[in-house]
Amino acid sequence: EAGVAQSPRYKIIEKRQSVAFWCNPISGHATLYWYQQILGQGPKLLIQFQNNGVVDDSQLPKDRFSAERLKGVDSTLKIQPAKLEDSAVYLCASSLGPPAGSGYEQYFGPGTRLTVT
Amino acid sequence: AQKITQTQPGMFVQEKEAVTLDCTYDTSDPSYGLFWYKQPSSGEMIFLIYQGSYDQQNATEGRYSLNFQKARKSANLVISASQLGDSAMYFCAMREGYGQNFVFGPGTRLSVLP
Repeated sequence: EAGVAQSPRYKIIEKRQSVAFWCNPISGHATLYWYQQILGQGPKLLIQFQNNGVVDDSQLPKDRFSAERLKGVDSTLKIQPAKLEDSAVYLCASSLGPPAGSGYEQYFGPGTRLTVT
Repeated sequence: AQKITQTQPGMFVQEKEAVTLDCTYDTSDPSYGLFWYKQPSSGEMIFLIYQGSYDQQNATEGRYSLNFQKARKSANLVISASQLGDSAMYFCAMREGYGQNFVFGPGTRLSVLP
């Protein structure tokens, strides 16, 4: 079974530029998550989709970040314009079940390391 | 307030010995799930073990066990017979209710010494 795919793996941009990340979850997984992991910290949830609907985007900085999951499969996360503090690893994860208090563990992709200069 | 607290920034353990990584959580929701993930230096997050708030028994997965003390709101990870490959960051995480507030703790860096 193929895992969660992400691209690109690395990206370097200048501040005020825009960038987009792509995620392809495990086949059949209804729930998709985007996390931001700043160096030395735990991942922070940015947005959570179930199929193509948003379940939780309370921590997404909506003035500069956007995400979509068309057709309930692939997802893209965009930053426009980027700031220095956006330098982090962006992790995509997917899970089989609904986002309830249950044992549906999340499977993570390899992440995209973003450096904003 | 911190939802997940991991008070040990770093831990050392001798190979083949057992080690306990601490995790305390804060929630008022009666339905929640607790997870432990391992993140090696390569960066991927690897699921280790899960404990549901209504589970009567402590979860176990191979060398991993979760010491769940609900009244104390703690969910410590116990790794038995440590191996050099266990050296990594370990994160405790919690999911509350339906689709809300999935949070990770700050992590504990475990180093296994030969």
